[in-house]
Amino acid sequence: GIQVEQSPPDLILQEGANSTLRCNFSDSVNNLQWFHQNPWGQLINLFYIPSGTKQNGRLSATTVATERYSLLYISSSQTTDSGVYFCAVNMDSSYKLIFGSGTRLLVRP
Amino acid sequence: DTAVSQTPKYLVTQMGNDKSIKCEQNLGHDTMYWYKQDSKKFLKIMFSYNNKELIINETVPNRFSPKSPDKAHLNLHINSLELGDSAVYFCASSLMGTQYFGPGTRLLVL
Repeated sequence: GIQVEQSPPDLILQEGANSTLRCNFSDSVNNLQWFHQNPWGQLINLFYIPSGTKQNGRLSATTVATERYSLLYISSSQTTDSGVYFCAVNMDSSYKLIFGSGTRLLVRP
Repeated sequence: DTAVSQTPKYLVTQMGNDKSIKCEQNLGHDTMYWYKQDSKKFLKIMFSYNNKELIINETVPNRFSPKSPDKAHLNLHINSLELGDSAVYFCASSLMGTQYFGPGTRLLVL
């Protein structure tokens, strides 16, 4: 089956710093989503981005489908950005999402 | 306004018991899912229903049985609970593409 790898596995930032999270996938995908799981466990949808670039405030994402990777940029990080960031992909019309193992982000004040 | 809701939020029970988790979505979506998140935070799909029809059934023990009485509801019943069933169970829904997750149900089997 398709493999989804995220890097880095862990990241510690000082408040105000910028960061880039990466998601590599081993096969062509129909769908790619980025999620943030906050410290209370809630999974929040950040981007639906099978290709191209999208921005939402301090967050932006780029997916290069032909090269099988996606990047999530966090600028001017805040302590509320802490949590786990997941990339998830889907290959077919069943909408079954395959999740990566996540990047744990800690933003220190 | 709650989009995807689950009850209960926490569930602590003894091995061998039977328990159910309920999920409701008010987004008008056609497709609903159950995912399991283990202690290492790894998320894996278990089941999916589209318009009350089962479309995804991953390699899950028969003790787990989903039921969808209508498009807005998807319940998960678990028989003969085992220690290894301890996890967070997430319900999700989607119309096309984007999936929206409920708050999760933390299940602890003692």
